Amino acid sequence: KAGVTQTPRYLIKTRGQQVTLSCSPISGHRSVSWYQQTPGQGLQFLFEYFSETQRNKGNFPGRFSGRQFSNSRSEMNVSTLELGDSALYLCASSQPKTGLRSETQYFGPGTRLLVL
Amino acid sequence: DQQVKQNSPSLSVQEGRISILNCDYTNSMFDYFLWYKKYPAEGPTFLISISSIKDKNEDGRFTVFLNKSAKHLSLHIVPSQPGDSAVYFCAASGDFNQAGTALIFGKGTTLSVSS
Repeated sequence: KAGVTQTPRYLIKTRGQQVTLSCSPISGHRSVSWYQQTPGQGLQFLFEYFSETQRNKGNFPGRFSGRQFSNSRSEMNVSTLELGDSALYLCASSQPKTGLRSETQYFGPGTRLLVL
Repeated sequence: DQQVKQNSPSLSVQEGRISILNCDYTNSMFDYFLWYKKYPAEGPTFLISISSIKDKNEDGRFTVFLNKSAKHLSLHIVPSQPGDSAVYFCAASGDFNQAGTALIFGKGTTLSVSS
């Protein structure tokens, strides 16, 4: 099976702009989660989508949003970019097992965003 | 506050020896733990996981031990190989009465295996 893919891999934006990142999960996986990795804060959970619905959200401002399509592909959007939004944005997919909540998440290569 | 802690930022080991990476957690609601390996400019790669109903899980050279009373888990790599040199992240998840699963990550330990 192909792994999780993310586009674009690298992006440079300026403060105040907005950006949209895309993620295609592993075939058959219906859950997509997004994480932000920065040197200071490490890997932090942004939000999770399952069957086109956001079912979990981390502690990030409303400038960070996302959505999931019927084919499980997901996008995340960051509006009014700030310098501190420069980070590696990682997407992970998983397939919840019946009767079990916890599942293993498989990560894509990430999108490196630089805000100038 | 940091719920998942990896107190050793780095670890150096010789090829062929055992590498032991440690992780502590504070939230007793965590019930599933994972280890990921990460190379620069790549996403984390899943290595091994363990459910809180077990105290050990093995997969080839990798073994994870869970001590629930101490809220501590460790990853053993035997024998260590130069290709194991990477950043290792410990992650945890739990049922906090909400749907979905969010992984809480430690800050990582950089493992260097010298030949």
